[in-house]
Amino acid sequence: AQSVTQPDIHITVSEGASLELRCNYSYGATPYLFWYVQSPGQGLQLLLKYFSGDTLVQGIKGFEAEFKRSQSSFNLRKPSVHWSDAAEYFCAVGIKRSGGGADGLTFGKGTHLIIQP
Amino acid sequence: SQTIHQWPATLVQPVGSPLSLECTVEGTSNPNLYWYRQAAGRGLQLLFYSVGIGQISSEVPQNLSASRPQDRQFILSSKKLLLSDSGFYLCARSSATRWETQYFGPGTRLLVL
Repeated sequence: AQSVTQPDIHITVSEGASLELRCNYSYGATPYLFWYVQSPGQGLQLLLKYFSGDTLVQGIKGFEAEFKRSQSSFNLRKPSVHWSDAAEYFCAVGIKRSGGGADGLTFGKGTHLIIQP
Repeated sequence: SQTIHQWPATLVQPVGSPLSLECTVEGTSNPNLYWYRQAAGRGLQLLFYSVGIGQISSEVPQNLSASRPQDRQFILSSKKLLLSDSGFYLCARSSATRWETQYFGPGTRLLVL
């Protein structure tokens, strides 16, 4: 079965500094890859997704992520964080399947981002 | 726009009581619908998904059940709540053709005492 690891439970970054959140997955092939953000007490908002092609994907709110097949990683980055970026970030994978139907995503346990003034 | 509503937003229930959480979707037809649970300190766990009216797939054996009485309505139920049922319940939708791109509702916070 596939799994997702977010090794950092908490990360503290100063406002204006760069950010990188790590995500590693375990699966025999390349899955669909996602990053979601969750503000306190809210649902999840999709930041970006990777299906195939260019390994650097751009998302909303100035975020980007890079897929590295050799490292089974999909790290999220932002060049300059804002106080409003403080939230919980989740990496998720979906297993490619042929035909129709549906399936759930497998999520990491999340990284809590704290922004220092 | 395609909107997901979840009702209620917050719920406090005693152990052993029944449960009914509702999810409704606007602006799309024949969506795939999902129930996830987020427990404290954990990621999201898929509970159920549905590809159409009356079609429910269960991922985790438990005392919860799901139903889809209408195309845009997905209900999560329990006959008797357990303490371990406490958590944040999220409904999600996707299109029938792109199941993997899932959009989430605002969630229902359930506390079982």
